Amino acid sequence: GDSVTQMEGPVTLSEEAFLTINCTYTATGYPSLFWYVQYPGEGLQLLLKATKADDKGSNKGFEATYRKETTSFHLEKGSVQVSDSAVYFCALKTGANNLFFGTGTRLTVIP
Amino acid sequence: NAGVTQTPKFQVLKTGQSMTLQCAQDMNHNSMYWYRQDPGMGLRLIYYSASEGTTDKGEVPNGYNVSRLNKREFSLRLESAAPSQTSVYFCASSGWDPQTYNEQFFGPGTRLTVL
Repeated sequence: GDSVTQMEGPVTLSEEAFLTINCTYTATGYPSLFWYVQYPGEGLQLLLKATKADDKGSNKGFEATYRKETTSFHLEKGSVQVSDSAVYFCALKTGANNLFFGTGTRLTVIP
Repeated sequence: NAGVTQTPKFQVLKTGQSMTLQCAQDMNHNSMYWYRQDPGMGLRLIYYSASEGTTDKGEVPNGYNVSRLNKREFSLRLESAAPSQTSVYFCASSGWDPQTYNEQFFGPGTRLTVL
């Protein structure tokens, strides 16, 4: 079945460090791929998305490229800030209604 | 524009008690969802409603019932709560706007503890 495997955390980085959070997927058909972010005490917010192979999603300095050949959608940011501390979820959608989520990666950025 | 709202924010129940979690959205979305979030397991879909008047089971429906009261509201009921239902519950909605197609909008969550 459809599934997402996400890099386990937690991840702790110093401010201005480079961030990579790995995400790979298994899916039938042609999924859309997403990164959601959850700040402390809040619900999930869409961070970025890509709907077809080779698409690059980007938002707030974060980027991820839909790689069909490696079934991956890794999240990157060149210089993290303390305000980026949150839990990040990779997700995929194949059918009309269901999102399949990874287990989440907690990022802590220290000054 | 409040987006997706959920009540209550926190709840403590005793085993066997019942309760209903409320969810409403003001974005005129057709589809609504209930998820549970457990440590180390991400979010799992409990039930969803593709449109007003329809509901379908998700990945983990046992022990829950839902009602799509109208286009705005989608409630989740626990008839006889069990400790295994201790979790954070999120409601979400999605629509057909080309700008946000495929995106689900989430509420702030309800933290439920069953003793």
